[in-house]
Amino acid sequence: RKEVEQDPGPFNVPEGATVAFNCTYSNSASQSFFWYRQDCRKEPKLLMSVYSSGNEDGRFTAQLNRASQYISLLIRDSKLSDSATYLCVVSLYSGNTPLVFGKGTRLSVIA
Amino acid sequence: EPEVTQTPSHQVTQMGQEVILRCVPISNHLYFYWYRQILGQKVEFLVSFYNNEISEKSEIFDDQFSVERPDGSNFTLKIRSTKLEDSAMYFCASAEDSSYNEQFFGPGTRLTVL
Repeated sequence: RKEVEQDPGPFNVPEGATVAFNCTYSNSASQSFFWYRQDCRKEPKLLMSVYSSGNEDGRFTAQLNRASQYISLLIRDSKLSDSATYLCVVSLYSGNTPLVFGKGTRLSVIA
Repeated sequence: EPEVTQTPSHQVTQMGQEVILRCVPISNHLYFYWYRQILGQKVEFLVSFYNNEISEKSEIFDDQFSVERPDGSNFTLKIRSTKLEDSAMYFCASAEDSSYNEQFFGPGTRLTVL
């Protein structure tokens, strides 16, 4: 199973900052794309699915570039509670198939 | 909000012992998964289960591992003879039958093999 690569960070940003995470995936057959959030020693929690047209959920915006095999996550107006590890996740097929995780990018939002 | 539950939260065992990790998926979900995360490393897929059988498994899921859905609610992962390198967080996940593949994870069981 091929890799999902992310900058491990950590990203240390002040409250209110805008921060962007990038991710590349090596298998061009990948069909489904997600960002998960993982707090220390906790389970991954789905933050948002990533659609080809890009999508936004409040302060979070996700983009997908299939040609470059690149996924991004933008967080605007960072809050202290955004501090976590952000996991880029893909699956090979649409429908219910195993997820392939990146190692994650750690974000610390500082007051 | 419905959630995936797992027991125990922490299991300590001696090398060579058998362990059973338990999961209760979300009730209307049809697809079940086990993943593991060794400390400091990425989450890795172990096995998926649908319609009472394994649908896919990774290279990690060797003969020492087995899964079962003994009744309508529980989904278990058994490791027959634990090794030191089995020490990890084990996450159960479930998903409903949809094209979006949104998997919901349980809180995990931390397995420590001594």
